[in-house]
Amino acid sequence: GAGVSQSPSNKVTEKGKDVELRCDPISGHTALYWYRQSLGQGLEFLIYFQGNSAPDKSGLPSDRFSAERTGGSVSTLTIQRTQQEDSAVYLCASSPGQPITDTQYFGPGTRLTVL
Amino acid sequence: GNSVTQMEGPVTLSEEAFLTINCTYTATGYPSLFWYVQYPGEGLQLLLKATKADDKGSNKGFEATYRKETTSFHLEKGSVQVSDSAVYFCALLNQGGKLIFGQGTELSVKP
Repeated sequence: GAGVSQSPSNKVTEKGKDVELRCDPISGHTALYWYRQSLGQGLEFLIYFQGNSAPDKSGLPSDRFSAERTGGSVSTLTIQRTQQEDSAVYLCASSPGQPITDTQYFGPGTRLTVL
Repeated sequence: GNSVTQMEGPVTLSEEAFLTINCTYTATGYPSLFWYVQYPGEGLQLLLKATKADDKGSNKGFEATYRKETTSFHLEKGSVQVSDSAVYFCALLNQGGKLIFGQGTELSVKP
């Protein structure tokens, strides 16, 4: 079946611009996660959704970062006023959600470059 | 807090050599443990997992055993192939459901 999909696959933007990254989880998966992969910091957790609510936003690095999920499916990660240090690969993952120990399945990522 | 430490790379091996990538963890309780692999130009894929102490995860000739006494989850393969060249990530799943990753180990297998 279809896996996790993310769009765009690549995004180049200028410093100060806003960007939106999209994630389509595996159908029926109630849990959705955003991670960031960068050279300096490795793989870091950003935010977790169970359904449309986000019980854990602890990994969002600043208030310029926000995310929402609608209809228990698609999620959008928004970065406002992008900075060069936001350059990274943003990964989305989903899992069936119950139990919480379920395996997370990752999408191919969005490579963000801030000039 | 929870953390994962992996041996540093890059690791370079000849085809058919034995592979070990060390992974140790610090955690509250007994979290599920995972190895993910990232092939060049591709996303993260689950390689194997173990959910409780003494469990052995295995897939594609790779194995790892959950050792609570040494808080380790070392990845092994008896005979590597060129196609195994990738970056390998060890991870634990904390009680809140987030994955905590090690820094990744790059493996390069030469023919």
